Amino acid sequence: DVKVTQSSRYLVKRTGEKVFLECVQDMDHENMFWYRQDPGLGLRLIYFSYDVKMKEKGDIPEGYSVSREKKERFSLILESASTNQTSMYLCASSPGLAGGEQYFGPGTRLTVT
Amino acid sequence: KNQVEQSPQSLIILEGKNCTLQCNYTVSPFSNLRWYKQDTGRGPVSLTIMTFSENTKSNGRYTATLDADTKQSSLHITASQLSDSASYICVVSADYNTDKLIFGTGTRLQVFP
Repeated sequence: DVKVTQSSRYLVKRTGEKVFLECVQDMDHENMFWYRQDPGLGLRLIYFSYDVKMKEKGDIPEGYSVSREKKERFSLILESASTNQTSMYLCASSPGLAGGEQYFGPGTRLTVT
Repeated sequence: KNQVEQSPQSLIILEGKNCTLQCNYTVSPFSNLRWYKQDTGRGPVSLTIMTFSENTKSNGRYTATLDADTKQSSLHITASQLSDSASYICVVSADYNTDKLIFGTGTRLQVFP
């Protein structure tokens, strides 16, 4: 079974703090993704990566950065957290072929106060 | 504009009853269509993936249909169970060469005893 794990289920941070969200997958997948999910908006792509040290902007990259130093690990960084970044963050991975199934982690519910 | 719309937004049914969820999309080019199930506070889990040449696909009590001409899909749940209570998200892959996905906002299904 594919397993995608995220470092925290719930996180509370203060405005201006630097926040790290970690994601690890154990299936040797090339592709990894970070989404945020807000009520009434569906999932929106923040960043994705097709390979180690490679990253591409998604639809809403502003205020976020990412790091992929190892194939199995993809980190999302909020350089200076703001209240409008309060959301559910979901990590996903998929094998190298385009159009392949994406496997999601359990999500991190981030609250910025 | 690439868009995926789902209806109804929410649905309440009694245990044992059947139900059908709808998805309309305006996505081009079309690669495949997926249905995901998302339990509250969890990441989405894939139910089915269909390419344009497939017009029906089943996964246990879940049956998805696709009409690529009218750009409509449905997810039929047979003999519902309490564990079917979840959000069901329709997702369309918009590009053969990338993993770009367009997400619907989901249908929230509640199954009562």
